Amino acid sequence: GAVVSQHPSRVICKSGTSVKIECRSLDFQATTMFWYRQFPKQSLMLMATSNEGSKATYEQGVEKDKFLINHASLTLSTLTVTSAHPEDSSFYICSARDQETGDTGEQFFGPGTRLTVL
Amino acid sequence: GQNIDQPTEMTATEGAIVQINCTYQTSGFNGLFWYQQHAGEAPTFLSYNVLDGLEEKGRFSSFLSRSKGYSYLLLKELQMKDSASYLCASMDSNYQLIWGAGTKLIIKP
Repeated sequence: GAVVSQHPSRVICKSGTSVKIECRSLDFQATTMFWYRQFPKQSLMLMATSNEGSKATYEQGVEKDKFLINHASLTLSTLTVTSAHPEDSSFYICSARDQETGDTGEQFFGPGTRLTVL
Repeated sequence: GQNIDQPTEMTATEGAIVQINCTYQTSGFNGLFWYQQHAGEAPTFLSYNVLDGLEEKGRFSSFLSRSKGYSYLLLKELQMKDSASYLCASMDSNYQLIWGAGTKLIIKP
C-alpha cells in the first residue's frame, strides 16, 4: 500500500516556541492531505484539509494563524504549531489521499507526531 | 447534525468471533470506512463499503445497510494482536470523513 511518512515522530518543546511537522507521501502524489489531532482516548479531530497550491481549509474552532499549513508540492505538507502552549500537547496525524483514486479513495495515514509542550 | 455511534469498549476471547457495530448520520453519504488503531500509532485502513452487503477480507468482514445507517465489522479467529481500537468513519457529501470515537477491543486468552 501507499506510504506516508511524518517527521518528527516525537517532539518536546518549551512553551512559546514553534514546531514544524512534515508529512510526505512517499510513493504517490497527493493533491489533498489532512491534518488531525487526537487527544488520549478520543477520536480523530480533523483540523484542516490541505490542498496543493492553495490555502488550507480549516475546521471550525481551529486557529489558522496558530496552525500554519503549507502544501507546497504533491508530496509534502507541513503543519507549524506557532507559539505552542501546554494545551497544544497532543498526537498530530496527517493523512493523504492518492490523487489517482479520487475523492472516495482511502486515506493513508502517517505514523503520527506526539507533541509535548512543557 | 452529523453523528457516528459505536460502543466504547468490547471484550472477546482469543479464537472467538466479535462484531463491532456502528450507526451513522451524516450529510450525504459516500461510503463507510473501518480503521484499526493500536495505542500510540496512526490508524490503518481495514475496509470500505459503499454498497449494501457484506465485504469479506480474510478474517475481517464489513457489512453495510445504507437504509438503516448501519455498519458492522466482524472479526473472526481473534488473535491477541487484534487488541486495538476500531474506528468507524462515514464519508459525507463533501468527501470528508466523519469519525466515531472508536471501540477499544480487548482480547483475553
